[in-house]
Amino acid sequence: DTGVSQDPRHKITKRGQNVTFRCDPISEHNRLYWYRQTLGQGPEFLTYFQNEAQLEKSRLLSNRFSAERPKGSFSTLEIQRTEQGDSAMYLCASSYGQDKETQYFGPGTRLLVL
Amino acid sequence: QKEVEQDPGPLSVPEGAIVSLNCTYSNSAFQYFMWYRQYSRKGPELLMYTYSSGNKEDGRFTAQVDKSSKYISLFIRDSQPSDSATYLCAMSPGYSSASKIIFGSGTRLSIRP
Repeated sequence: DTGVSQDPRHKITKRGQNVTFRCDPISEHNRLYWYRQTLGQGPEFLTYFQNEAQLEKSRLLSNRFSAERPKGSFSTLEIQRTEQGDSAMYLCASSYGQDKETQYFGPGTRLLVL
Repeated sequence: QKEVEQDPGPLSVPEGAIVSLNCTYSNSAFQYFMWYRQYSRKGPELLMYTYSSGNKEDGRFTAQVDKSSKYISLFIRDSQPSDSATYLCAMSPGYSSASKIIFGSGTRLSIRP
């Protein structure tokens, strides 16, 4: 399977703990996006990278959230001092970077903060 | 007020019916319009995209955009039980989804056999 992969698929943590998620984009896709989706809502944009450069961050991305894409391939999203409100599905997408390109989504990481 | 409004449903129709899903938007900067389908516990998958007013057809699916009214629609003909999913309208400024996509809240659709 050469689609976008995310790990882990599920994560349960206690409030106050740090969590880290990984996203592996489709090979050769230079753009990588993170979204958050809560129950009954559409995905909300968090941030995106072109190669290793983080080009845009949503105001939803508080200072407890940090994303990296150190070598322009896989990306990590870390949440520090998790809160119950962080419980959501975290989706990663990638695209090739040409005009009219499609963002292909991964299966998501479902986070539950107790 | 959200930039993109979508009726959450749920919408339940019998197999074979024509389904109409709709979204309105407020930001006239949006130029690129998409429909994604999301099955339970899966990531969204792109169904159709368009960047001009008018209709675009792909098999049983037709996407319609009316920029003057800031209104987009997705029509599904000859609906099948396998079409049961959440349908998300989405849009972005510019003529591609090069940066962020703004999604509607999704409409849950159920096709009854």
